[in-house]
Amino acid sequence: AQTVTQSQPEMSVQEAETVTLSCTYDTSESDYYLFWYKQPPSRQMILVIRQEAYKQQNATENRFSVNFQKAAKSFSLKISDSQLGDAAMYFCAYALTGTASKLTFGTGTRLQVTL
Amino acid sequence: GAVVSQHPSRVICKSGTSVKIECRSLDFQATTMFWYRQFPKQSLMLMATSNEGSKATYEQGVEKDKFLINHASLTLSTLTVTSAHPEDSSFYICSARDQFYEQYFGPGTRLTVT
Repeated sequence: AQTVTQSQPEMSVQEAETVTLSCTYDTSESDYYLFWYKQPPSRQMILVIRQEAYKQQNATENRFSVNFQKAAKSFSLKISDSQLGDAAMYFCAYALTGTASKLTFGTGTRLQVTL
Repeated sequence: GAVVSQHPSRVICKSGTSVKIECRSLDFQATTMFWYRQFPKQSLMLMATSNEGSKATYEQGVEKDKFLINHASLTLSTLTVTSAHPEDSSFYICSARDQFYEQYFGPGTRLTVT
């Protein structure tokens, strides 16, 4: 079974600074997707960024980028120029490609953004 | 972007009664929807996969007779918690998958069983 591990229960960053959230996963598959989701206090899950395992290039979305190390099974999220609105729970998730595509979530990292 | 709604957003019911939660994809068709449960300060746990026109697939440890799932159309899936007990109190979230296998999440339903 696939597992996703987030070893940082809480992180804190100052506004305008950069923070990196860690995620490791375990799988025997070679073709899969990795995701970072944000869950603000409203509890609405929001997709932050997505990475296809077959792509070597790291995904980026504006201030959000990932460091995907397939051999190490590592998938970290870097948030640059942090903003107060980035404060939320962040979940790393894994899904196989194709019709399966069930999401397996990590335990989450609570990010605080301070002034 | 694609929108998924859930109704109700909050529900309080008495122990022993049943409650139904609806999940709708508003602007796309979803052959597959997923139901998750989230306890306070915890992650999302997949309960079941709902496929339009067929029986739901439940994850290990989820009681299919307690959590009835019906995916009646390409835009609607329902989760019925039968004979609810206080331990069923939780936050329930659905997601709907579009034709590109992208999942979109509903805003969740907070169930409180008294």
